[in-house]
Amino acid sequence: GQNIDQPTEMTATEGAIVQINCTYQTSGFNGLFWYQQHAGEAPTFLSYNVLDGLEEKGRFSSFLSRSKGYSYLLLKELQMKDSASYLCAVMDSGAGSYQLTFGKGTKLSVIP
Amino acid sequence: GAGVSQTPSNKVTEKGKYVELRCDPISGHTALYWYRQSLGQGPEFLIYFQGTGAADDSGLPNDRFFAVRPEGSVSTLKIQRTERGDSAVYLCASSHGTDEQFFGPGTRLTVL
Repeated sequence: GQNIDQPTEMTATEGAIVQINCTYQTSGFNGLFWYQQHAGEAPTFLSYNVLDGLEEKGRFSSFLSRSKGYSYLLLKELQMKDSASYLCAVMDSGAGSYQLTFGKGTKLSVIP
Repeated sequence: GAGVSQTPSNKVTEKGKYVELRCDPISGHTALYWYRQSLGQGPEFLIYFQGTGAADDSGLPNDRFFAVRPEGSVSTLKIQRTERGDSAVYLCASSHGTDEQFFGPGTRLTVL
């Protein structure tokens, strides 16, 4: 089975930097994804890590350590529109399956 | 189409009724996934199609749930004898191989 943990809620100030952590325990691993989900909307893809290290994409960066079962999403220069839930998801490597197992999401509130 | 579309956007039904939820994936995407999301939770995997066949249906909660994709494009999720516990947002996603999954806006199902 898979177990994915991330904080339930976080609050940060506009213009600041925030790091959202995710730890996972999985029977198989074929990559880790971060998705952003605004209330009442569909999740939208942010980043994908399959190898250890940091992936940077504009204001968003994601880090992976496979040996530690750990990832984080780093958001820089926070904007009010970044207020959303951030979902950590692991792709299973089981035969023929590419399902994503999601954490419960971290609700980020950006305040002025 | 530009993205994944799902119909209806909202469905209210009575306990015991039958419902069908439709998903139109992104053109050319061979992989299609159904997830279910309850309030405050991350999406939960239901079933994965590769082409016309269900490659992994391990997430279907019981035999009241069934999904088809007869021509390898549009998919329909069917729920028989609905129960109040089936109330959730049903999300469809499509992808090209193991690339990121693109989610539709979801169908909010309410069973009274």
